Amino acid sequence: GAVVSQHPSRVICKSGTSVKIECRSLDFQATTMFWYRQFPKQSLMLMATSNEGSKATYEQGVEKDKFLINHASLTLSTLTVTSAHPEDSSFYICSARKAGRRSYNSPLHFGNGTRLTVT
Amino acid sequence: AQKITQTQPGMFVQEKEAVTLDCTYDTSDPSYGLFWYKQPSSGEMIFLIYQGSYDQQNATEGRYSLNFQKARKSANLVISASQLGDSAMYFCAMRVNDYKLSFGAGTTVTVRA
Repeated sequence: GAVVSQHPSRVICKSGTSVKIECRSLDFQATTMFWYRQFPKQSLMLMATSNEGSKATYEQGVEKDKFLINHASLTLSTLTVTSAHPEDSSFYICSARKAGRRSYNSPLHFGNGTRLTVT
Repeated sequence: AQKITQTQPGMFVQEKEAVTLDCTYDTSDPSYGLFWYKQPSSGEMIFLIYQGSYDQQNATEGRYSLNFQKARKSANLVISASQLGDSAMYFCAMRVNDYKLSFGAGTTVTVRA
């Protein structure tokens, strides 16, 4: 179990448009979901923490108006990249924590990521 | 602040041999968890192994083992009997007093036939 589905896997959009990425926990309820960004050959950088029913908490330097996060249910979080520009091109990956699990030893379950290319 | 350091950008290993990936960490919190993830070229993050700060024994999962040296603040991953499918990027990560994971820079492993 513990499958996280991320959609779309790849998206190409024009500069100035908005793109929505979905992250779904398929077989468990996720109290908390995390959104990461990864540039080629680099590490995963946490962008924001998304809690069901409340506002997301953004990491320092991440523009909340640029990267809109909605966690409307225990199985779905969305990341919308608004007015995308070429510098937003990156690999975005979500992860989810099972509701009720102890914090330290429960691994985060990751989606397969979304490769965004802004032209 | 928590910090994870992986000093090996890339490593080559011969098939069937063992390889050790280094990871050091820094935290002032006595309770923490250490994780290793594998990321193949397709991009998904695959959980490999976990070590808790209070665990007395080193964690093992199949061909993966974690060499946990608490005093040195190191949590090296050992992959035994390397296979071609082990070629990937490997990330060490740490969790402290919340559910966030902080990742190291990663190490690219290439297994040669």
